[in-house]
Amino acid sequence: DADVTQTPRNRITKTGKRIMLECSQTKGHDRMYWYRQDPGLGLQLIYYSFDVKDINKGEISDGYSVSRQAQAKFSLSLESAIPNQTALYFCATSETGDSYNEQFFGPGTRLTVL
Amino acid sequence: GDSVTQMEGPVTLSEEAFLTINCTYTATGYPSLFWYVQYPGEGLQLLLKATKADDKGSNKGFEATYRKETTSFHLEKGSVQVSDSAVYFCAPPDSGAGSYQLTFGKGTKLSVIP
Repeated sequence: DADVTQTPRNRITKTGKRIMLECSQTKGHDRMYWYRQDPGLGLQLIYYSFDVKDINKGEISDGYSVSRQAQAKFSLSLESAIPNQTALYFCATSETGDSYNEQFFGPGTRLTVL
Repeated sequence: GDSVTQMEGPVTLSEEAFLTINCTYTATGYPSLFWYVQYPGEGLQLLLKATKADDKGSNKGFEATYRKETTSFHLEKGSVQVSDSAVYFCAPPDSGAGSYQLTFGKGTKLSVIP
């Protein structure tokens, strides 16, 4: 079984709809991240969380919100989806520590907003 | 601002050709450096890493040396295969973030033709 899972894997929605992307991990990591990937732009950090009570904005948090329901779960919400949020979304986890640690990625969710 | 500059693609090589993908970065101190790879339809996975200056990371025939004097971490492979076709991301820590985030380059798409 995969260590980092994302649901759904694909989603098509309409402008103005609220949607939630979910991420679960079995690695026991405290740190979790949400990224979006657009062609030619690499990965951009949306939000990150270093433990259950910690939520931090990344470089492109506008239009998104997150919830860290438990150590193993970190969900991303689009309150009112718009077409330029069409992208590939990745969840990632890493260990806690004093060094820059490897991040482990989920398989991604492809979101299309019509 | 940007803390990583990665060679733009796409790059197309014939099988058994030599590969170099350049990466330079800005960062405080001497952090760990990473190269990630994304195969078609998958999430990112760690390819190799170097944890200190002059360290060489290697995996699957790929190598990268942490050059602190030039703040570079170029990826090389002596003889590429069709199975190496993927997108490659350089990932140093986010400059000055102090929060142990990674900053991903824009990615370099490699296509290897038989």
